[in-house]
Amino acid sequence: AQSVTQLGSHVSVSEGALVLLRCNYSSSVPPYLFWYVQYPNQGLQLLLKYTTGATLVKGINGFEAEFKKSETSFHLTKPSAHMSDAAEYFCAVTRQGNTGKLIFGQGTTLQVKP
Amino acid sequence: KAGVTQTPRYLIKTRGQQVTLSCSPISGHRSVSWYQQTPGQGLQFLFEYFSETQRNKGNFPGRFSGRQFSNSRSEMNVSTLELGDSALYLCASSSRQGEGGYTFGSGTRLTVV
Repeated sequence: AQSVTQLGSHVSVSEGALVLLRCNYSSSVPPYLFWYVQYPNQGLQLLLKYTTGATLVKGINGFEAEFKKSETSFHLTKPSAHMSDAAEYFCAVTRQGNTGKLIFGQGTTLQVKP
Repeated sequence: KAGVTQTPRYLIKTRGQQVTLSCSPISGHRSVSWYQQTPGQGLQFLFEYFSETQRNKGNFPGRFSGRQFSNSRSEMNVSTLELGDSALYLCASSSRQGEGGYTFGSGTRLTVV
């Protein structure tokens, strides 16, 4: 079975500060890992993904995440927050290969203060 | 290329009615999966179709069903609607192995009154 835990349902940072959103996963098989962002009344937009290969992955809008197998973590970071980053962020896991079944964390709402 | 298209965007139905939602995947994607998003339960997997066959199913009652057509477009149906079915329904499409990630549509907001 697979599961995802996102630590902190709400995170608040100042504009220009480091963004760190935490995600820990549980998987008995090699995982694919994803981060998605959701703006109000919209669908999910893929920020970045880890499938195989390099464990440090870079995504859109300056975000990156590092797959740490020993820590079963896939934390999302951005060096400098922008007001437009305010949104809800979801970490998701699935097993390798296309299962079509993503297991999502509960989400973290990022607030960016001016 | 065009993204994932979901129709309609908004829907209001009465308890006891049934509803059909539609999802057109990215061209070339043969996998379509459906999710329900609610404030209380978050994002929950409903089912996934690949080449017209249901490959995976989540823990939802039989009132929730789906199908996929030969052009990969998918529909989901909810019969005998309950107030608790009010949610944002999202579909996602992916390539054969899923390495490219799963691309989501904008969703259908269903309100049951």
